Amino acid sequence: AQTVTQSQPEMSVQEAETVTLSCTYDTSESDYYLFWYKQPPSRQMILVIRQEAYKQQNATENRFSVNFQKAAKSFSLKISDSQLGDAAMYFCAYKGSGNTPLVFGKGTRLSVIA
Amino acid sequence: GAVVSQHPSWVICKSGTSVKIECRSLDFQATTMFWYRQFPKQSLMLMATSNEGSKATYEQGVEKDKFLINHASLTLSTLTVTSAHPEDSSFYICSAPTRGASGQETQYFGPGTRLLVL
Repeated sequence: AQTVTQSQPEMSVQEAETVTLSCTYDTSESDYYLFWYKQPPSRQMILVIRQEAYKQQNATENRFSVNFQKAAKSFSLKISDSQLGDAAMYFCAYKGSGNTPLVFGKGTRLSVIA
Repeated sequence: GAVVSQHPSWVICKSGTSVKIECRSLDFQATTMFWYRQFPKQSLMLMATSNEGSKATYEQGVEKDKFLINHASLTLSTLTVTSAHPEDSSFYICSAPTRGASGQETQYFGPGTRLLVL
């Protein structure tokens, strides 16, 4: 079975600074997808960024980028120019091919200090 | 992006009653939807996979007779918590997979339902 590990239960960052959230996963599949979701206090799950495993280029979405190391099965999220609104729980998630559900890590709670 | 709705957003009920939660994909069709449960300060745990026109598949440890799932159409899945007890109090979230215009696969989540059983 696939597993996702987030080793940082909590992180903090100064406003306008950069922070990196770690995620590793375990799978024997070659075709899969990786996601980072943000869950603010409202608890609505918001897609931050997605990466297809077959793509070598790291995904970027404005201030959010990933460092995808397929051989190491690592998928970290970098948030640049952190803003107060970035404070939330961040979940790393794995999805295999086909109509399969997401497998989530335990999450990292990010605090942004003004 | 795609929108998934859930109703109700909040429900408080007495122990022993049944509660129905609806999950709708508003602008796309979903032959499959997923139901997750999230306890406070924990991650999302998959409960079951809802399949349109066929029986749901449940994760190990999830009682199928307690958590009834019906996927009656391509845009609606319902989760009924039967004879709810206080330990069923949790945050229930549904999601539906879809592909964007560029073919990128993703899953969109409903806003969740907070269930409190007294």
